[in-house]
Parts: sequence; structure tokens; C-alpha cells
Amino acid sequence: EAGVAQSPRYKIIEKRQSVAFWCNPISGHATLYWYQQILGQGPKLLIQFQNNGVVDDSQLPKDRFSAERLKGVDSTLKIQPAKLEDSAVYLCASSLDGHYGYTFGSGTRLTVV
Amino acid sequence: GDSVTQMEGPVTLSEEAFLTINCTYTATGYPSLFWYVQYPGEGLQLLLKATKADDKGSNKGFEATYRKETTSFHLEKGSVQVSDSAVYFCALSEPGYSTLTFGKGTMLLVSP
Repeated sequence: EAGVAQSPRYKIIEKRQSVAFWCNPISGHATLYWYQQILGQGPKLLIQFQNNGVVDDSQLPKDRFSAERLKGVDSTLKIQPAKLEDSAVYLCASSLDGHYGYTFGSGTRLTVV
Repeated sequence: GDSVTQMEGPVTLSEEAFLTINCTYTATGYPSLFWYVQYPGEGLQLLLKATKADDKGSNKGFEATYRKETTSFHLEKGSVQVSDSAVYFCALSEPGYSTLTFGKGTMLLVSP
């Protein structure tokens, strides 16, 4: 089966600019996650969707980050405005039923200068 | 809150050496435990998991045993290969939840 697709692969922006990342999960996977992985740290959950509803966004900095999952398939994560500390790899993952061993995409590496 | 602590890296080994990467955790319940691996330029892949005490997860020659008494889930492999060079992440999820809490990762470098 096709994996979790993410784009772009790399993005460099200046601080205070906006940026958007796209994720296409594995077909049929109801649960979708966005994680942030800062260099030298483990991934940290930003938001979890079940179909097109939000399950957990408690760690999403809502003053600048937003995410949506229209029609319960693709998802977009946006940052506006970006800060230097947002430099990280943004990982998308999906799972069939919200249980163990979900599949991660290759990530989008964001550099804010 | 939940947390996962892994040994600092990088771990540098010669091919065919024995590998241990330590992982301990703090959790409110009885979590499920995981090891993920991240090869250069790729996303995280599930390596193995254990869902209850004394369970042993295994895959591709790697093993880890869920030790409730020591709150540990150490990763081991009897003979590493150059192709095992990667970053290894220990992670947990609380019962009833699928979100993962990760450790900081341990880089493994295997030389021929």
C-alpha cells in the first residue's frame, strides 16, 4: 500500500512569514496525527484527528498554528506567523483505528531564518 | 505527566557487536511501550512493541522486554550490522489513548 505522503519535503522561510504543510494519509485510515520534531528531541504531538474531527489539540500553539482535515482525508497544518523556534521537522502519521503502530510520513523540514 | 528517558548517544559499535539501548519511563497507568527507528532521510518506523508487563517485543533481531518493576524497556540486539545505523526512539502510550510520548532518541552508528 502507498505510504503517508507529505509535502513539501523542505521549506525555508523568514520569521513572521506563513507556511503550510500538506499530508495525505494511507487510504482508509481514519486517524491522523501531526507531530513536531525539534532537532535532538523526540517527536511531540501537535494534533490528532479522527475522521475530520479533532480528538486532541491540547499541545497545539493555537495563536499561530492551525490544522484542518477536510472530508476526513487530507490534512493541512499552517503556521502564521512563524517564529525561529518553529524550525523543526513536521511529521504526519495515520492509523486505521487509532491504535498502535501507526505509519509516519517522511516529514517536512522547516527552517525559519 | 508521562515521560520517557533514553540513554544519550551516539552509540558507536563495530559490526557484530552486542547492542543495548536503555529506556525507562514514567506513566500514570500501565502504558503500551514501543521502539521506533528512523533511518537517515526517512520517517519513523515501528520496530517493535509490548502491551503488558513481561511481554517481549521482537523484530529483525531486535528485542525488548516490558519490565514493570523497573519501568524499563531496553532495546537489545545480539549482532548489529552497518545497516542498523539509525536513530532509535522509545515511546509509550497510555491505555485507551493512541498518542505517543517519545524519548529524545539515541543515535546508533555501526562501523564495518
